[in-house]
Amino acid sequence: ELKVEQNPLFLSMQEGKNYTIYCNYSTTSDRLYWYRQDPGKSLESLFVLLSNGAVKQEGRLMASLDTKARLSTLHITAAVHDLSATYFCAVDMWEETSGSRLTFGEGTQLTVNP
Amino acid sequence: GAVVSQHPSWVICKSGTSVKIECRSLDFQATTMFWYRQFPKQSLMLMATSNEGSKATYEQGVEKDKFLINHASLTLSTLTVTSAHPEDSSFYICSARDQRRVPKNIQYFGAGTRLSVL
Repeated sequence: ELKVEQNPLFLSMQEGKNYTIYCNYSTTSDRLYWYRQDPGKSLESLFVLLSNGAVKQEGRLMASLDTKARLSTLHITAAVHDLSATYFCAVDMWEETSGSRLTFGEGTQLTVNP
Repeated sequence: GAVVSQHPSWVICKSGTSVKIECRSLDFQATTMFWYRQFPKQSLMLMATSNEGSKATYEQGVEKDKFLINHASLTLSTLTVTSAHPEDSSFYICSARDQRRVPKNIQYFGAGTRLSVL
């Protein structure tokens, strides 16, 4: 059974600081997603990482994927209050019995303080 | 990007009644749609995979008789919560997979439905 673990689960940081959220997963996959969720809202897609070594950047967020280490990171640069949200990683796996499916990490609740 | 429409966005119902939630792919055909449930401060849990023209595949622990899924067309899947009880109160999110747009097989998410059962 695929397990996806995020670290940390809660993160409080000051504006202007940098930090990294980690996403570890337990079995081989070469497709990983990062999502943002605001309170009461659905998921907003941030990044789709499709291969080993993939790196994508959008604004103050940068995501990377290391399929050999089964690790993805979401790096926050010079955080601003607007980045406060919950961030999920999700791993896409193909299973014979159920086809392709996403397994989500527990989520990282990020609060950026002035 | 691909658009998935989910309705209603919020529903309040009495205990014992049934509630239907619709999930539509607006600009693509989706042979496969997914239904997730999210309790407060928790992650998304896959409830079932909805396959067009065939029976849904339910995850372990999800009652198929309580959560009825119908995927009658390539653009519509419905989830009916039958005889709802307060413990069914949750945020339900659907997604649809686009097998044609590049990159392929990306899941696109609906806006979610908040169900409150009194």
